[in-house]
Amino acid sequence: DTGVSQDPRHKITKRGQNVTFRCDPISEHNRLYWYRQTLGQGPEFLTYFQNEAQLEKSRLLSDRFSAERPKGSFSTLEIQRTEQGDSAMYLCASSFSLAEPAKNIQYFGAGTRLSVL
Amino acid sequence: KNQVEQSPQSLIILEGKNCTLQCNYTVSPFSNLRWYKQDTGRGPVSLTIMTFSENTKSNGRYTATLDADTKQSSLHITASQLSDSASYICVVRRGGYNKLIFGAGTRLAVHP
Repeated sequence: DTGVSQDPRHKITKRGQNVTFRCDPISEHNRLYWYRQTLGQGPEFLTYFQNEAQLEKSRLLSDRFSAERPKGSFSTLEIQRTEQGDSAMYLCASSFSLAEPAKNIQYFGAGTRLSVL
Repeated sequence: KNQVEQSPQSLIILEGKNCTLQCNYTVSPFSNLRWYKQDTGRGPVSLTIMTFSENTKSNGRYTATLDADTKQSSLHITASQLSDSASYICVVRRGGYNKLIFGAGTRLAVHP
């Protein structure tokens, strides 16, 4: 499978616990994005990387959230001291930045569904 | 404010019928507009992508239109199939920015 893969697919945790999600992008893609999606809404941008550099962070990304892409390949998204409001689907996407903007398609993973009890 | 609004919020049609989904946006400057299909529990999959100069683009039974003057787009689905049941999300890329602005989606249910 050469698509974007995310792990785990589902995560149930208790309020106050830390959780970490992993995303493996399509291998030749240099850009990686994290989104959050709640029920009935479209995805909301959280952050993105070009190679290992984190170039933009949304104001939605509070100080409890941190993302890394240490070697410019896979990425992790960690949420510390989870709150019930963090319950959502966390989507990862990747793209190839050298393509012209109209062809810069983001390919999404299946997401990690987080439930905070 | 840069926003993407979609209508209707949900739609039920019978298998074999056609339907049209609407998207209005206030994103400026405009770079391109995409339609994504998202099956339940899955990530969105790109259907079409259109730039300012493109008025229409087809992908099989899906045809997207774009009116950049009125900032409206539509997605027309022909001869619907049960597998078309999904959320269809309109997404606009703002010129000069890398992040996408997503609409809330239209949830389509195709019934036999």
